[in-house]
Amino acid sequence: QSALTQPRSVSGSPGQSVTISCTGTSSDVGGYNYVSWYQQHPGKAPKLIIYDVTKRPSGVPDRFSGSKSGNTASLTISGLQADDEADYYCCSFAGSYTFRAFGTGTMVTVL
Amino acid sequence: EVQLLESGGALVQPGGSLRLSCAASGFSFSNHAMSWVRQAPGKGLEWVSATHDSGAKRYYADSVKGRFTISRDNSKNTLYLQMNSLRAEDTAVYYCAKEPGPSQYFYMDVWGKGTTVTVSS
Repeated sequence: QSALTQPRSVSGSPGQSVTISCTGTSSDVGGYNYVSWYQQHPGKAPKLIIYDVTKRPSGVPDRFSGSKSGNTASLTISGLQADDEADYYCCSFAGSYTFRAFGTGTMVTVL
Repeated sequence: EVQLLESGGALVQPGGSLRLSCAASGFSFSNHAMSWVRQAPGKGLEWVSATHDSGAKRYYADSVKGRFTISRDNSKNTLYLQMNSLRAEDTAVYYCAKEPGPSQYFYMDVWGKGTTVTVSS
């Protein structure tokens, strides 16, 4: 079960936008529209922020958006705020054998 | 309020066993698939295991297959993870997470706070 590839870190100033990529294969990201994204603050549990590639759970600001092209999914955070500073993980359904793959994780820093 | 509360984490010697529990409340536990996800110190998230709403189907990551067993007691709204033949690399915070439906595993919409397992002599 190989991990999906994410950049180690991204940064931006308050109010700016940042985009995190999540690269997999045709067996996971490219094969299913079941990519989700999780935000994790230090010492806390992960929190779902995007599911089914583009959908936001109730209560998640529309500053968070998701997309996918081929084997790469992306999370964009617009209007960056101090509280957005956290680790972000993508996750994809990967079929009935491999089942589920997480990304390597990206640390977002608000400058 | 939907809540998941893990317990059972401890310090255990290599080769030992441990059983984790996850008490669910605030939703119809018996209608949802459930998963375990772990995070080694300073590392990323790793999916460990999942089970259908009834417990009839179970899935495991290759890294734990044959050593860990997931189960559930719907009468007690509780999910379990029996961990045997523990290794140092099993050291992690273990989270239980709720799936959106009875047998779909497309995302995890609620997570517990986690319980810490340390495997060391």
